[in-house]
Amino acid sequence: GAGVSQTPSNKVTEKGKYVELRCDPISGHTALYWYRQSLGQGPEFLIYFQGTGAADDSGLPNDRFFAVRPEGSVSTLKIQRTERGDSAVYLCASSITREETQYFGPGTRLLVL
Amino acid sequence: QKEVEQDPGPLSVPEGAIVSLNCTYSNSAFQYFMWYRQYSRKGPELLMYTYSSGNKEDGRFTAQVDKSSKYISLFIRDSQPSDSATYLCAMSGAEEGAQKLVFGQGTRLTINP
Repeated sequence: GAGVSQTPSNKVTEKGKYVELRCDPISGHTALYWYRQSLGQGPEFLIYFQGTGAADDSGLPNDRFFAVRPEGSVSTLKIQRTERGDSAVYLCASSITREETQYFGPGTRLLVL
Repeated sequence: QKEVEQDPGPLSVPEGAIVSLNCTYSNSAFQYFMWYRQYSRKGPELLMYTYSSGNKEDGRFTAQVDKSSKYISLFIRDSQPSDSATYLCAMSGAEEGAQKLVFGQGTRLTINP
């Protein structure tokens, strides 16, 4: 079956611009997670959705970052006023329920110039 | 000090060797322990999943968890060039609100033919 998909696969933007990153989870998975992976590091948690609601957003670094999942399926991570330090791979993962294994997508590589 | 420590390597071994990868952690609330494999420019792929202490074997892979020492290991037997990748340990708690995965830095492994 289809795995987690993320679009775009690569995004280059200029400092100060707004970007949106999309995640399509595995069909039927109610839990959805966003992580950020900097070069040479492991992924770091950003936010977790259970259904439509953000159950844990403790990993969002500041108020420039926001994520939504309006219908409990697709999620969008939004970054305002991008900074060079936001450059990283943004990974999305989903699981059937919160207790189950998380399956990761290929990531979106964001480069802020 | 990070919650999860993992030697970043790089680690280079000949084909057929036994590989040992390790992580230590500080949070005694962690109950679920995972090993992910990540190929270059791909998302992490789950290899092994263990609950609490003990050993788990799957083909050439064996995962060990020692909660008393806060130490987990992954052993790869009869290593193959296709095993060359970055290996990430990850863990999470069992209580409500602890679903996020906390990753190690990742160990870059190369198996030489």
